[in-house]
Amino acid sequence: DVKVTQSSRYLVKRTGEKVFLECVQDMDHENMFWYRQDPGLGLRLIYFSYDVKMKEKGDIPEGYSVSREKKERFSLILESASTNQTSMYLCASVQINQPQHFGDGTRLSIL
Amino acid sequence: GEDVEQSLFLSVREGDSSVINCTYTDSSSTYLYWYKQEPGAGLQLLTYIFSNMDMKQDQRLTVLLNKKDKHLSLRIADTQTGDSAIYFCAVDYNQGGKLIFGQGTELSVKP
Repeated sequence: DVKVTQSSRYLVKRTGEKVFLECVQDMDHENMFWYRQDPGLGLRLIYFSYDVKMKEKGDIPEGYSVSREKKERFSLILESASTNQTSMYLCASVQINQPQHFGDGTRLSIL
Repeated sequence: GEDVEQSLFLSVREGDSSVINCTYTDSSSTYLYWYKQEPGAGLQLLTYIFSNMDMKQDQRLTVLLNKKDKHLSLRIADTQTGDSAIYFCAVDYNQGGKLIFGQGTELSVKP
């Protein structure tokens, strides 16, 4: 079974802090994704990556960056956290023409 | 552009059938997925259908695809309280594993 692990289930940070959300997958998948989920808005794609050191902007990249130094790890970075980035963050990985597999999510609160 | 729409809420009685609907705008889809999200958790793949199929049945789940109307539905037979969750429809447009998600339908099952 594919395992996608997000480092924290719950995280509380302060406005202006630099925040790192980590995601690791164990199936050698090429493609990895970061989403945020807000009530009534579904999942919105922040960034994705098709290979190591490669990244593409999704639909809402502003205020975020990502890092993919190793194939199994995809990190989401909030450069200077703001209260409107309080949300549920979901990481996923996929092999082409296969379903995306999701981690359990990180519920991030910015105070 | 691609868009996927779902109604936000559905309430049924235990033992009844639930039908969750999804519409999409672009006909160039390859795979269409249904995910389930329980409170505080990530997304769990329930079932999927390839775009050249009309129907797929998997135990209590039946997926119907009407390509002409760009309409996808998920029927859950004999709905149980454990089926209470948010259900997401997602469409794969063969863009390297990138999926377009609906807003999610919150299913509430009353005893």
